[in-house]
Order: sequence, then C-alpha cells, then structure tokens
Amino acid sequence: NAGVTQTPKFQVLKTGQSMTLQCAQDMNHEYMSWYRQDPGMGLRLIHYSVGAGITDQGEVPNGYNVSRSTTEDFPLRLLSAAPSQTSVYFCASSYSIGAWWDTQYFGPGTRLTVL
Amino acid sequence: TQLLEQSPQFLSIQEGENLTVYCNSSSVFSSLQWYRQEPGEGPVLLVTVVTGGEVKKLKRLTFQFGDARKDSSLHITAAQPGDTGLYLCAGAGGSSNTGKLIFGQGTTLQVKP
Repeated sequence: NAGVTQTPKFQVLKTGQSMTLQCAQDMNHEYMSWYRQDPGMGLRLIHYSVGAGITDQGEVPNGYNVSRSTTEDFPLRLLSAAPSQTSVYFCASSYSIGAWWDTQYFGPGTRLTVL
Repeated sequence: TQLLEQSPQFLSIQEGENLTVYCNSSSVFSSLQWYRQEPGEGPVLLVTVVTGGEVKKLKRLTFQFGDARKDSSLHITAAQPGDTGLYLCAGAGGSSNTGKLIFGQGTTLQVKP
C-alpha cells in the first residue's frame, strides 16, 4: 500500500492564481481531511469528508473548495491564491470518523508559497 | 471553542536527559492521541489514550491521560537524538462531538548529541 499520497510536494503561486492540491489514499478509508500547518499553530482543519459525495467545512475553510467523487481521491482547490494561504498542507485519512481508536494517516505534505 | 494547549513550545536538551511535554484543555475528550512529526513529513501516530488515568509506555516514552480526561503528558526517559521532532497532541470526541480531531500547537524537541 502507498498509504496517503499528495502532489505536488512544493508549489509557488502568484496572488490570484488557482491550483489544485491532489490527495489519494489506497486504504479504502471513508474519512478524509485537509489540514494546514503554520508555525506555532499546530494543525488546523480546512475541510473534511465522511465518504464519497459528502464534504463539510472545518475550522478554516475560507478560500478553499473540496469535492469527493470517489473514495480514493480528495482534491483541495484554491480558487484565487492569497499570501495568507502560504502554508504546509496535509491530507489525512482514517477508517471512520471520531472513533476513539482511530488512527489518522497523513500524507507527506505540500509546501505552498503564495507571492 | 475547544483548545489544546501544549507546553513547552520548544525544548532543547542534551542526549540522556529526561523531559516531559504537557497537553492541557478545559474540555473533556473521549480520547487523546500523540503524534510525532519529522521535518518534511506528515505526523505519525504514537499512541492513543482513552481512559482517565491511563498510562501507556512505548519503549522510553510514557504517556498519561489525566483522571478527568482534560489533560495528558508525554515523558521521555534518556532522550536520544532520534527523538528530535515535533510532538503533537490531538483530542477527539470532545463536548462538541463533531468527530473531528483538535490539535495542540505542538512541542518542538531538539536532542543534541
């Protein structure tokens, strides 16, 4: 199993550009989520999905869109990039949501810089 | 709003020293997880604690969940350079019962040889 994969690993955008961060998992996990990580702020939830066709907002959803057409893929779209979106983005998946025993498996991250 | 506060935020010690990292909240959680993250990689789960007062050991790492399930600690005995990394606590099943994990801001540990 490849686990959770993310592409690209690094990206530089100009303000106003759009792009899609890709995330895929091969563990047949129902629950997938996107986090951003900024210095001194831990991980903050952007959007999450409890299954194909179902998505919901997390703590910091503004400026980001998601969709979940398949169990395996959960792309994150930046419609008009802003410097405040400079961050490291992590995708994660788990077997179910909120179960106390559940392990979240994280991808390697995408480091995004918006100029 | 549920918050998890970790302390200290940064710790630099010599190899062989002991250390404790704290994770505190005013909210009750059903479970608390500890992750370790190395530079350029995603967090990796170390342990999940679910019962108030529970203690789990993972080699030189000892994890404890507070009796009231509002706090947790991570103690490392005889730290080694390989322990260097970012340690994150995350709470699940809190009062909002959203099924989402709430992360602390992390503790960066540097162990010097």
